[in-house]
Amino acid sequence: AQSVTQPDIHITVSEGASLELRCNYSYGATPYLFWYVQSPGQGLQLLLKYFSGDTLVQGIKGFEAEFKRSQSSFNLRKPSVHWSDAAEYFCAVGPTNNNDMRFGAGTRLTVKP
Amino acid sequence: DGGITQSPKYLFRKEGQNVTLSCEQNLNHDAMYWYRQDPGQGLRLIYYSQIVNDFQKGDIAEGYSVSREKKESFPLTVTSAQKNPTAFYLCASSPFLQETQYFGPGTRLLVL
Repeated sequence: AQSVTQPDIHITVSEGASLELRCNYSYGATPYLFWYVQSPGQGLQLLLKYFSGDTLVQGIKGFEAEFKRSQSSFNLRKPSVHWSDAAEYFCAVGPTNNNDMRFGAGTRLTVKP
Repeated sequence: DGGITQSPKYLFRKEGQNVTLSCEQNLNHDAMYWYRQDPGQGLRLIYYSQIVNDFQKGDIAEGYSVSREKKESFPLTVTSAQKNPTAFYLCASSPFLQETQYFGPGTRLLVL
């Protein structure tokens, strides 16, 4: 069955430190991969996506992610975290057998001053 | 500005009552989706629609119903058969299935 795993429920980093959020997937074919961010009580905003081509993808707000087929991973990174990055981050994979996307459970990021 | 609107932001339901959540988009997208979000569980798909007058059940469709009479609109009805309706509901749209989804601001449903 297709699935997405975000192993870290909650991560705390200091402002200015680097960040890596993990995402692993189980999928039978070449997936489409997405990272979304959600502020409390808000909808989801797309950070970046991978469909094909260069496996290192640049997104908004200084985020990037790398697709590693051999590890079935699509980890999100940022070299220097800002306090405004505190939010919940969701990895998503598609298309599923229903032609929709499957979301991970999310990783909540706290940024210490 | 193009986007997705959801209303109301907060909705209260009494026991045994049906309530309808609104979702409108002016992005000219063919596909629309409804998700339910509970703490620590990510997003779960309720229903999706690939095109007008067509919709499919997602993973947790029981207790919910939808319609897609217009391209711009995809309302979700939470029926009295949904025994645990308290959640945050998110609507999304995409140009077509398997493309990037764009999300509305969400509706929080609370049971009185």
